[in-house]
Amino acid sequence: EADIYQTPRYLVIGTGKKITLECSQTMGHDKMYWYQQDPGMELHLIHYSYGVNSTEKGDLSSESTVSRIRTEHFPLTLESARPSHTSQYLCASSRTGYLEAFFGQGTRLTVV
Amino acid sequence: QKEVEQNSGPLSVPEGAIASLNCTYSDRVSQSFFWYRQYSGKSPELIMSIYSNGDKEDGRFTAQLNKASQYVSLLIRDSQPSDSATYLCAVRGTSYDKVIFGPGTSLSVIP
Repeated sequence: EADIYQTPRYLVIGTGKKITLECSQTMGHDKMYWYQQDPGMELHLIHYSYGVNSTEKGDLSSESTVSRIRTEHFPLTLESARPSHTSQYLCASSRTGYLEAFFGQGTRLTVV
Repeated sequence: QKEVEQNSGPLSVPEGAIASLNCTYSDRVSQSFFWYRQYSGKSPELIMSIYSNGDKEDGRFTAQLNKASQYVSLLIRDSQPSDSATYLCAVRGTSYDKVIFGPGTSLSVIP
């Protein structure tokens, strides 16, 4: 079944640790996105990719980085986690054209 | 001016009533418009998409698009308590090849 997967679903980690949030999709979509959302607040686009080896920063400044080495995989990395990074991170993908984006289940990150 | 704007609410309607959610966008050449529903703590899920002027109906949901006024709305007929969620308007256009979300409108359906 075509889908978009995020791991881990929940992560509690100490300040200063390096973390990578995984996102994979099996829908053959070329575009992928990372959004950040605090509880009860709006979605903010932090990174997106048009395809392999293409990454762009989104509308909200983020200390995270992304890579797109394979079409289906779009991991997000924080080199040194801080409490201010505590949030929900949502990955999404879409096909080229005017079609909708589909979301993964999200990773809820807590930095202590 | 934000690219996609919505009233944050909360919008409260009694069970069985019609809920009306509104959204305006700034990019005149936007081509695709979406409504997502997001339950608390969950990911957004697509409920409607609309690409041309007019109305599009799917069950209890109707999306309305007016490109001249840069306005899109979502009507929910016979509202149910299970419709209580935040509704996100999203826009995709030629000037930005990515999906831009509005801040969302919180809907509460009172039994």
